[in-house]
Amino acid sequence: GAVVSQHPSRVICKSGTSVKIECRSLDFQATTMFWYRQFPKQSLMLMATSNEGSKATYEQGVEKDKFLINHASLTLSTLTVTSAHPEDSSFYICSARMGQGPYEQYFGPGTRLTVT
Amino acid sequence: AQTVTQSQPEMSVQEAETVTLSCTYDTSENNYYLFWYKQPPSRQMILVIRQEAYKQQNATENRFSVNFQKAAKSFSLKISDSQLGDTAMYFCAFMKQEDSGAGSYQLTFGKGTKLSVIP
Repeated sequence: GAVVSQHPSRVICKSGTSVKIECRSLDFQATTMFWYRQFPKQSLMLMATSNEGSKATYEQGVEKDKFLINHASLTLSTLTVTSAHPEDSSFYICSARMGQGPYEQYFGPGTRLTVT
Repeated sequence: AQTVTQSQPEMSVQEAETVTLSCTYDTSENNYYLFWYKQPPSRQMILVIRQEAYKQQNATENRFSVNFQKAAKSFSLKISDSQLGDTAMYFCAFMKQEDSGAGSYQLTFGKGTKLSVIP
């Protein structure tokens, strides 16, 4: 149980286009979902926190108009990278929190975005 | 704001031996949680072990155990009987206790330690 999926696992897009990444909790309802960015050989950097039905809370320095997050249901959150540039190329990871406690946070397998 | 420091970028250990990964953190919070996550080459983050700050007893999970020193703000991970499958990046993470049950419970990660288990 407690599986989080991400789609796609890899995506290549042209500079200037937009790309959407989906994060789904497959067997539980996620009260909160988190989006992270990970550069090669570096740690996870939290981009934003989203709760179902409300606007996402973005970390300082993350452009909310560029990284659009929608958490339309308790099992689905999407991250849309708008007007992508090569510097947006990175590994994007989502995680989902189950319940109200501090422990139940499960990670997706990540999405590799390459902007050409 | 909380910070998590992992001072060992890379480590190696012989198969079946024991290795300890270091982690220190800085916080003004009294109630919090600490975690070790493993990220193998597949990039899938896996929870290894967690520790509640209010518990004095060190957490253990099979071959994995921690040495939690609250006063020193230290949280090291010991891996016993290392196996080839333990080869991965290991991230130490901090989570503060939220004031309400509906808090976001965000994780703050260290930079990671790359562990290689040598056959």
